Amino acid sequence: DGGITQSPKYLFRKEGQNVTLSCEQNLNHDAMYWYRQDPGQGLRLIYYSQIVNDFQKGDIAEGYSVSREKKESFPLTVTSAQKNPTAFYLCASRPGGTDQLYGYTFGSGTRLTVV
Amino acid sequence: GQNIDQPTEMTATEGAIVQINCTYQTSGFNGLFWYQQHAGEAPTFLSYNVLDGLEEKGRFSSFLSRSKGYSYLLLKELQMKDSASYLCAVRSPRAGATNKLIFGTGTLLAVQP
Repeated sequence: DGGITQSPKYLFRKEGQNVTLSCEQNLNHDAMYWYRQDPGQGLRLIYYSQIVNDFQKGDIAEGYSVSREKKESFPLTVTSAQKNPTAFYLCASRPGGTDQLYGYTFGSGTRLTVV
Repeated sequence: GQNIDQPTEMTATEGAIVQINCTYQTSGFNGLFWYQQHAGEAPTFLSYNVLDGLEEKGRFSSFLSRSKGYSYLLLKELQMKDSASYLCAVRSPRAGATNKLIFGTGTLLAVQP
């Protein structure tokens, strides 16, 4: 079955460490997205990529980095520069071109906690 | 600015009908989505509206009025499994860039026996 896989589901990080969250999709979708979800706030866009080897900053990119070397994969690195990294991180994808009907397909998320 | 408003929480009774409202103010409009999200899980697509009117899909319906910047999600014959957060999201076009999906904070619905 096609879908988006995020791993790990739970991740603990010590202050000052970088961590990488995995996102893999087998939907053959062109565009991929990373969102952060905090209690009482809507999903906020961190980074997005419309095609391989290209990505753009979203609204809260500071302290994060991404790569898109393969169509299927869009890993997110949370660096030590991110001051408040504890959150629920969601990866999403959508087909390229006209995509109006179905919006995004989301992964099941990674909950990152700084200890 | 970009703003999407939804009630924070709602409570309803099993078997009843509930309406979750969403108002938006965005720089441009290119469609509105409703997603359901159970705690700690991925949001799942429920509905999409781009033209005014009502879209019905089984027990769920979604309405849009673009002139009023208003949408609602109607859930009929509520079941306990409908207890979840419901996210309203507006797609807003951006010059020279991909459309942006702007999310509201979500409405946490609790269905009681």
